[in-house]
Amino acid sequence: GIQVEQSPPDLILQEGANSTLRCNFSDSVNNLQWFHQNPWGQLINLFYIPSGTKQNGRLSATTVATERYSLLYISSSQTTDSGVYFCAASSWGEAAGNKLTFGGGTRVLVKP
Amino acid sequence: GAGVSQSPRYKVAKRGQDVALRCDPISGHVSLFWYQQALGQGPEFLTYFQNEAQLDKSGLPSDRFFAERPEGSVSTLKIQRTQQEDSAVYLCASSLSGQGEAIYFGEGSWLTVV
Repeated sequence: GIQVEQSPPDLILQEGANSTLRCNFSDSVNNLQWFHQNPWGQLINLFYIPSGTKQNGRLSATTVATERYSLLYISSSQTTDSGVYFCAASSWGEAAGNKLTFGGGTRVLVKP
Repeated sequence: GAGVSQSPRYKVAKRGQDVALRCDPISGHVSLFWYQQALGQGPEFLTYFQNEAQLDKSGLPSDRFFAERPEGSVSTLKIQRTQQEDSAVYLCASSLSGQGEAIYFGEGSWLTVV
């Protein structure tokens, strides 16, 4: 099945800083999503982005499908951005893109 | 409902006990997914339904795990004869049509087997 790797594994930021999280995947994808897991364990869907660029407030994401990577940008970070960010991907052959494989996550701590 | 609802939120089971975890997906969502998340790791796929049909159960760890969605809405994940390695968070998610799109997770059921 598809392999998903995220970097860096841990990130400590000062409030107000910008950062970039990376997700590499081993196969062509028809489904790629970014999630934020808050300290209470809730997984929040940030972006559905198998290709292209999207922005939502201070967050944006870009997927370059031909080069098999995706980037999540956090600008002007806030303490509420703390938590674990997961990238998850699926290829068409895996239950028609419904069987997501998650990366190991990037643990982000934003200090006030 | 407004979001995916799971119950119980927390469950402590004695080893060997059977447990049942319930998931109520977002109203109108055709596809429903179960994932298992061990401490410090990313979620891992267990099984997937489209309406009442279980289309993929390749992630179920053993035959002690069983999932159903008899009327194409609420789903139950059942674990028989629980073992300590079953301790994890069980996450349910749903999506609108199941055509490889955004999925939305519930808050999870935290299972501890003692």
